[in-house]
Amino acid sequence: DAGITQSPRHKVTETGTPVTLRCHQTENHRYMYWYRQDPGHGLRLIHYSYGVKDTDKGEVSDGYSVSRSKTEDFLLTLESATSSQTSVYFCAISGAIPSPLHFGNGTRLTVT
Amino acid sequence: RKEVEQDPGPFNVPEGATVAFNCTYSNSASQSFFWYRQDCRKEPKLLMSVYSSGNEDGRFTAQLNRASQYISLLIRDSKLSDSATYLCVVISNSNSGYALNFGKGTSLLVTP
Repeated sequence: DAGITQSPRHKVTETGTPVTLRCHQTENHRYMYWYRQDPGHGLRLIHYSYGVKDTDKGEVSDGYSVSRSKTEDFLLTLESATSSQTSVYFCAISGAIPSPLHFGNGTRLTVT
Repeated sequence: RKEVEQDPGPFNVPEGATVAFNCTYSNSASQSFFWYRQDCRKEPKLLMSVYSSGNEDGRFTAQLNRASQYISLLIRDSKLSDSATYLCVVISNSNSGYALNFGKGTSLLVTP
């Protein structure tokens, strides 16, 4: 399995608080992605990165920001969490396009 | 029209049965195709790539029909452990770059 770790695995937070999710990879892959998965919506792309300090928005980027200061780490930040951001968040990596993605085991976030 | 569409199911089949899923895509310039398997509350895992000539991996066969713009996944001799959600992924290239589009998944339940 691809070396990709997400932390934390579970988090409960209150509305209005900032939250940062971390994705760490040991594969030296160029591309990293953050998705959220909700019933009825499937996987939706939040942000992605195509290199250190190179990021771009996905289809559901509002309310989220990302940073990639090192190849191995891709951080997703919810500046002020809302209940609509309760979801399962998956990080994914790929070495090239069009190669398949490999996913981390997810972060289950609940915003109360 | 959505980029990638799948019948959500569920497909309920008895052990030993053969079952097939289709995934249709709208962009005729799509170039790479994959099937993923996702177990409940887990991350999607790559099941197999889909090659133009069709490919087989044990009990699983993937096919691509470019003329009709769909890919298929055939599972022979279904096992209880095949119960999962199967996601298709289509990668397309356009003037704005590559786009990865996920289907929402087809749910399979294999029963004794």
